[in-house]
Amino acid sequence: GAGVSQSPRYKVAKRGQDVALRCDPISGHVSLFWYQQALGQGPEFLTYFQNEAQLDKSGLPSDRFFAERPEGSVSTLKIQRTQQEDSAVYLCASSLNPSSGNTIYFGEGSWLTVV
Amino acid sequence: AQSVTQPDIHITVSEGASLELRCNYSYGATPYLFWYVQSPGQGLQLLLKYFSGDTLVQGIKGFEAEFKRSQSSFNLRKPSVHWSDAAEYFCAVGAQGGGNKLTFGTGTQLKVEL
Repeated sequence: GAGVSQSPRYKVAKRGQDVALRCDPISGHVSLFWYQQALGQGPEFLTYFQNEAQLDKSGLPSDRFFAERPEGSVSTLKIQRTQQEDSAVYLCASSLNPSSGNTIYFGEGSWLTVV
Repeated sequence: AQSVTQPDIHITVSEGASLELRCNYSYGATPYLFWYVQSPGQGLQLLLKYFSGDTLVQGIKGFEAEFKRSQSSFNLRKPSVHWSDAAEYFCAVGAQGGGNKLTFGTGTQLKVEL
């Protein structure tokens, strides 16, 4: 596609529910990232994939957060037993090869509200 | 660990006036540096980036930034602000050789008065 596509754009979940957020990166982009942006804050790194391999998951805040990219394209961020502190915008980004200076492109985000 | 400080939470400028947004970073080696802009309800759009070479970097929409190693700064400038520039601006640092994990500042909200 033309850009990074995320769905759903908006999600309201009851506390304790599981949610799944989808990211379609730009076609051909090897690298894929997930960031969490709380209200009034800058994005914070969650996890990074190169193709299907999850190379860095150091930013995942708890074991309730899980990300996968099984075929090296679409990625899903799953949050189990959601808590109110999980309310944030979840941004997905992709790049051809960021280490070589390629631009990292961000999607418009999935806005999660936990009530 | 790398970190970014954007000391100004809010800035208001008049349309047509010049703009400078401050960014200071902490990183042990030569960093990758970025400025992104975010309009309400939108994702992040890259304005410009510094990897190496010329320390004065030109970006889109008439923005530029200068990397000053001695001051650990990467301030964003624009000579004449347009009302459409009102948005939130984020400075970010990435690790060379990695470049894959960006650390963002808390952002500067720019308001433009007509």
